[in-house]
Amino acid sequence: QAVLTQPSSLSASPGASASLTCTLRSGINVGTYRIYWYQQKPGSPPQYLLRYKSDSDKQQGSGVPSRFSGSKDASANAGILLISGLQSEDEADYYCMIWHSSASVFGTGTKVTVL
Amino acid sequence: QLQLQESGPGLVKPSETLSLTCTVSGGSISSSSYYWGWIRQPPGKGLEWIGSIYYSGSTYYNPSLKSRVTISVDTSKNQFSLKLSSVTAADTAVYYCARRSFEFDYWGQGTLVTVSS
Repeated sequence: QAVLTQPSSLSASPGASASLTCTLRSGINVGTYRIYWYQQKPGSPPQYLLRYKSDSDKQQGSGVPSRFSGSKDASANAGILLISGLQSEDEADYYCMIWHSSASVFGTGTKVTVL
Repeated sequence: QLQLQESGPGLVKPSETLSLTCTVSGGSISSSSYYWGWIRQPPGKGLEWIGSIYYSGSTYYNPSLKSRVTISVDTSKNQFSLKLSSVTAADTAVYYCARRSFEFDYWGQGTLVTVSS
């Protein structure tokens, strides 16, 4: 079982909101981790979007629009990336990441399609 | 503006050693605030962290690759390097170098390394 599991794909209409989940493996408590989110467009390296641990421990990446935000669902043991007001330019792959046992671990990635 | 650029052979034979260098410009690799890392991405697949190094030479490696990976730093050249030994076709990937504080905030454009005879 992967440490971080993400849905493989998600589709939504322009202007809608998209909620991307990053589920931590059983035994790894989401509450103790900062969740980092990256966006990757075809042929380009990933770009850092934001990190979220709590409302008092969060950071927006430089130049990242506020319509990208982070949260957690403790009951699902998951981190969440919310994209509000989806735009065609948001069509990309999205990866979550944590630091676990002194190692960086990336999620499996979600491909977001804007219909 | 900080820039990172990967360089090295694009084709490596099976069982040989993959060697890549990342040249950092627009900033010092000796900054105490940052680590420097390697991440790879097989074609059509997700990201995999390989390892990170501090300017002092302190390293952290992915446990799944640790036996084959060596990352080193040359502060005089503002470069850090990756060596991955005993490569197989499964090591074919785009290899990225990146700077990290907590997040990986600056990335190179990546270089495709193909393992094939």
